[in-house]
Amino acid sequence: QVQLVQSGAEVKKPGASVKVSCKVSGYTLTELSIHWVRQSPAKGLEWMGGFDPAYGETIYAQDFQGRVTMTEDTSTETAFMELSSLTSEDTAVYYCATVIVATKLFDYWGQGTLITVSS
Amino acid sequence: DIQMTQSPSTLSASVGGTVTITCRASQSITRWLAWYQQKPGKAPNLLIYEAFRLESGVPSRFSGSGSETEFTLTISSLQPDDVATYYCQQYESYSYTFGQGTKLEIK
Repeated sequence: QVQLVQSGAEVKKPGASVKVSCKVSGYTLTELSIHWVRQSPAKGLEWMGGFDPAYGETIYAQDFQGRVTMTEDTSTETAFMELSSLTSEDTAVYYCATVIVATKLFDYWGQGTLITVSS
Repeated sequence: DIQMTQSPSTLSASVGGTVTITCRASQSITRWLAWYQQKPGKAPNLLIYEAFRLESGVPSRFSGSGSETEFTLTISSLQPDDVATYYCQQYESYSYTFGQGTKLEIK
């Protein structure tokens, strides 16, 4: 059974960056494909990007290109999502989730991390 | 990106009743459509995949149909525990997109 435990809620100023962590247990990161999805009242659920094992690289949604970076630390089995140049529109709950490689379906989800952007 | 249009945005029905939610894709996604249930403060939970296949452990009161660009989720014999927001999601490619959600209330 996979468990994903995310870092806690944060408040950020406009223009700042935020880095959310997602610690994996039950499997190793190399066995999983981790993706990030955010949810806001204004825009609903938005896929931000994730690891495509077919090409061995991370793919990003067009809306976040240039502003988001997803990384992994296999020594601590932790995935990270960093989002820069924050605005109030980035206020949302951010989720990490595993994707089943064979089906491209979301499988396990983290508990979510609330990021609030406010001056 | 493929746009997903879901309707209605809210729905109210009685216990024991049946409801249908519709999801339209801006282009053909064949059968690569999933339905999720989300309760407040929780992550989405997979109900249906490949348009009609029931995820393990999901009651058979939930059913999905459709293909190409038009899909439906039907919930029969409504229970109080079905109060939630339901989302469709296309996974035809890795540029996943979701519908705007349908909030289900029980009268």
